Amino acid sequence: GQNIDQPTEMTATEGAIVQINCTYQTSGFNGLFWYQQHAGEAPTFLSYNVLDGLEEKGRFSSFLSRSKGYSYLLLKELQMKDSASYLCAVMDSNYQLIWGAGTKLIIKP
Amino acid sequence: ETGVTQTPRHLVMGMTNKKSLKCEQHLGHNAMYWYKQSAKKPLELMFVYSLEERVENNSVPSRFSPECPNSSHLFLHLHTLQPEDSALYLCASSQDPSSGGNEQYFGPGTRLTVT
Repeated sequence: GQNIDQPTEMTATEGAIVQINCTYQTSGFNGLFWYQQHAGEAPTFLSYNVLDGLEEKGRFSSFLSRSKGYSYLLLKELQMKDSASYLCAVMDSNYQLIWGAGTKLIIKP
Repeated sequence: ETGVTQTPRHLVMGMTNKKSLKCEQHLGHNAMYWYKQSAKKPLELMFVYSLEERVENNSVPSRFSPECPNSSHLFLHLHTLQPEDSALYLCASSQDPSSGGNEQYFGPGTRLTVT
């Protein structure tokens, strides 16, 4: 079966760095996406990785290792507004997204 | 309007009612999706329409019936639902997913409660 695993909840301090991990087992691979979802709102796109390595976009970076079935989202200089759920999703061989349950990130002052 | 819109935002219905959810995208995309989001569970893909043809329905119960009259509009018709169908229903759109790397844009969702 297809499976995406990520931690249920993480806590970090304002101004710090946090890494949210995602491991996956899917039927084929056509890229990995990270989305942010604030409570009561729609998910919004953060990043896309299809090749191994690190993609940096401002305070957010995403890493992919296809051989390990592993990705992480790195958030730097955390701000209170970063409190949200972070969803990892993998596009399978049918070009459909398989989603993780999301990691709820709590930022403390 | 821009982006992806959904109506209604909230819906309470009895198990014998019939209702419809509406989604509209203003992004020029050619694929649209219905997802179900329940608390602490992964997003569940219900239906995909690409170029107005249904691509996958993932064994969704027949009490959910999608309709895609054109590339900008998507409906989800609901009838004789069960309490366990209470969830957030999200609509999304994207460019052709088979071309790879195309992120999905989500609407704000309809919070459905079945009583």
